[in-house]
Amino acid sequence: AQSVTQPDIHITVSEGASLELRCNYSYGATPYLFWYVQSPGQGLQLLLKYFSGDTLVQGIKGFEAEFKRSQSSFNLRKPSVHWSDAAEYFCAVGSNFGNEKLTFGTGTRLTIIP
Amino acid sequence: EADIYQTPRYLVIGTGKKITLECSQTMGHDKMYWYQQDPGMELHLIHYSYGVNSTEKGDLSSESTVSRIRTEHFPLTLESARPSHTSQYLCASSVQNTGELFFGEGSRLTVL
Repeated sequence: AQSVTQPDIHITVSEGASLELRCNYSYGATPYLFWYVQSPGQGLQLLLKYFSGDTLVQGIKGFEAEFKRSQSSFNLRKPSVHWSDAAEYFCAVGSNFGNEKLTFGTGTRLTIIP
Repeated sequence: EADIYQTPRYLVIGTGKKITLECSQTMGHDKMYWYQQDPGMELHLIHYSYGVNSTEKGDLSSESTVSRIRTEHFPLTLESARPSHTSQYLCASSVQNTGELFFGEGSRLTVL
């Protein structure tokens, strides 16, 4: 069975600082990986996804993520965070192309301080 | 901007009541989903549908039921609500073979 671990429950960073949110997955074959963001009182929005090819993927809002098969990781990064990035971030894994039955991690809450 | 709507956004009801959470999307997506979300926990898939008259149970067992009579509509029903049903319920839809889910804003249910 597939699973996702987000080891950081809550992260606080200063505005303008760099950000890295960790995600580790467990899946026997090639995973399909996603990062979603949830602002307070809102639904989830897709930031980026990895299916195959280049292991560094670019997303919306200046985010990127790198797939590292050897580490079973798909960490999310942003070089300079903005106050509007404060939200909950969820990593998710899918089992095969076109199967949108995703398994989500528990999320990482990001707080931005001035 | 995704066009998927959930009502009500917030609902507080007493034990034993029947409730229906509505979910509608105007994007013509065949696939629709219901996830349950509790604070500090992962989202759990409780129901999904691959099209009209298709419904399946998800990975997390749920006492709720769903129906899919029309493409755009995927309501979730609890026949007799209990405090253990208190949670946030998220509806989503997806385009075939993209892996991208479009989520509604959620329905937060509190059962007293």
